Amino acid sequence: AQSVAQPEDQVNVAEGNPLTVKCTYSVSGNPYLFWYVQYPNRGLQFLLKYITGDNLVKGSYGFEAEFNKSQTSFHLKKPSALVSDSALYFCAVTPRAAAGNKLTFGGGTRVLVKP
Amino acid sequence: IAGITQAPTSQILAAGRRMTLRCTQDMRHNAMYWYRQDLGLGLRLIHYSNTAGTTGKGEVPDGYSVSRANTDDFPLTLASAVPSQTSVYFCASSDRARSHHNEQFFGPGTRLTVL
Repeated sequence: AQSVAQPEDQVNVAEGNPLTVKCTYSVSGNPYLFWYVQYPNRGLQFLLKYITGDNLVKGSYGFEAEFNKSQTSFHLKKPSALVSDSALYFCAVTPRAAAGNKLTFGGGTRVLVKP
Repeated sequence: IAGITQAPTSQILAAGRRMTLRCTQDMRHNAMYWYRQDLGLGLRLIHYSNTAGTTGKGEVPDGYSVSRANTDDFPLTLASAVPSQTSVYFCASSDRARSHHNEQFFGPGTRLTVL
């Protein structure tokens, strides 16, 4: 069975500083990996995904993530955080063999960007 | 506005009562999903449907049922609600006909409290 770990419940960062949200995963075979963001009282919004190819994936709102197969990680990064980036972030994985069904989500990491 | 709608927005329900959460999408996506979100546990898949007329069980299906009579609607029914079903429920859809790794689009959620 697949699993996702987001080791930090909360990440605090000053506006303008780099932001990193960590994610490690466990899956049989090759993965599809996703990051979603959730703003208060809203549903999840897609940020970016890794399917295959280039390990560095660029997504919405200036976010990027790096796939590291040897470390089974898919950390989310942003070079310069904004106060508006404060939200709940979820990493998700599904095995490629499952044809995209049955996403498994991590527990989420709350990001607080302080002015 | 294209997207996913869920109803009701919130509901307080007595234990033992039957409840149906409604979900409608207008994007003509073939796949739809139901998740529950609980603090620290992220989102867990309850049921899914790859196409109208078919459904499948997710990670936590017990106590829930779904139907998919047409492309647009995917209701989730709690036959006899229990307090452990207190959660926020999200419906999602994706265009699996175009690509198996397509991102999922989420509704705004239904906050359900079972007393």
